[in-house]
Amino acid sequence: QVVLTQSPSASASLGASVKLTCTLSSGHSTYAIAWHQQQPDKGPRYLMKLNTDGSHSKGDGIPDRFSGSSSGAERYLTVSSLQSEDEADYYCQTWGTGFRVFGGGTKLTVL
Amino acid sequence: QVQLVESGGGVVQPGRSLRLSCAASGFTFSSYPMHWVRQAPGKGLEWVAVISSDGINKYYADSVKGRFTISRDNSKYTLFLQMNSLRPEDTSVYYCARDDESDYWGQGTLVTVPA
Repeated sequence: QVVLTQSPSASASLGASVKLTCTLSSGHSTYAIAWHQQQPDKGPRYLMKLNTDGSHSKGDGIPDRFSGSSSGAERYLTVSSLQSEDEADYYCQTWGTGFRVFGGGTKLTVL
Repeated sequence: QVQLVESGGGVVQPGRSLRLSCAASGFTFSSYPMHWVRQAPGKGLEWVAVISSDGINKYYADSVKGRFTISRDNSKYTLFLQMNSLRPEDTSVYYCARDDESDYWGQGTLVTVPA
């Protein structure tokens, strides 16, 4: 079974950039993932699908400040020019036949 | 535009049943697999169940297998989750989401099963 590992928390200053990491478990490094954002007291919002080669397709209305990249079993979400509304929980997710898996989420604090 | 609207949540006693609905619009519902995801208070996202676009293939998380049933009515653009033998640990906001990568989400409906 695929396991996605995320750091529980991250922080960065207003206007800076931050790179969040999602690690696929051993033997599953070829899986594509999706990144989702959940602002406080709101439902999740799809950010992008991120492929093994680093190519990604973003959801409707997602700003250019959000980008994705990949390296081996690591999948990254970079948020540039941080704004206060970027303070949120970020979840990665993957899927296969008969299953969907979420990472534990990273709580991003904008200082 | 794509919209997913959940309904049917509420407070239900342990051991009882509840049926959630997710009304879809703005896309060809019958072309997409759909799934349910839940989030317990203060916790992360947990996948619950998925159904194929034609409604034939269904898969469940171990935590709900044998108690929950996912179904869909493509003619009515509606997804369902029948929840039986509910437990306090099923207390969560339940979301429906579209496709493998969950590219659209509903706003969620709260299910509370008191201890």
